Amino acid sequence: RKEVEQDPGPFNVPEGATVAFNCTYSNSASQSFFWYRQDCRKEPKLLMSVYSSGNEDGRFTAQLNRASQYISLLIRDSKLSDSATYLCVVKNTGGFKTIFGAGTRLFVKA
Amino acid sequence: DAGVTQSPTHLIKTRGQQVTLRCSPKSGHDTVSWYQQALGQGPQFIFQYYEEEERQRGNFPDRFSGHQFPNYSSELNVNALLLGDSALYLCASSSGRLTDTQYFGPGTRLTVL
Repeated sequence: RKEVEQDPGPFNVPEGATVAFNCTYSNSASQSFFWYRQDCRKEPKLLMSVYSSGNEDGRFTAQLNRASQYISLLIRDSKLSDSATYLCVVKNTGGFKTIFGAGTRLFVKA
Repeated sequence: DAGVTQSPTHLIKTRGQQVTLRCSPKSGHDTVSWYQQALGQGPQFIFQYYEEEERQRGNFPDRFSGHQFPNYSSELNVNALLLGDSALYLCASSSGRLTDTQYFGPGTRLTVL
């Protein structure tokens, strides 16, 4: 079983739609959680950290469920510019290794 | 404020050769991590350098080695290249106290023929 698993997609949605991505992690000792965005042939960029209480940044909302060991990302009012691969990232307690999921591809169409 | 830089941007090698990739961290950062990203996959952690020492290593063979210099820049060396080493190699920098926040460089695309 992979340490971090994501639905690979692709998700094809129209502009203005709401889309949700889920991610599961296998190590209950995982301590830090993030969502990164990666455009085609570019480097990953931090989208947002994920906190236990959930957090929101504009149209983006991240949630963490420690009991079920999953993380979610909700994008509201999708824009064409949201088209990218979204990477779920986990870091374990006491370690420096960062574990990336394989990513979920999103296409937003006009 | 310069971000993370990597060189070269592209590289073509043949099986059995050796390669050295270079990374300069973002200004103010002292920690460098290296990742391998195969096509269609997420980045895989190779190792992290801090204070010129390898602090943690992922599941990569000894053919992958690295170095960090006093100015915090870093090199990734790969010996005895295999076809499967073809990938995008990403460098990420962070501050020793805030390693959760990583900034990635544009990567080096390595093709092994």
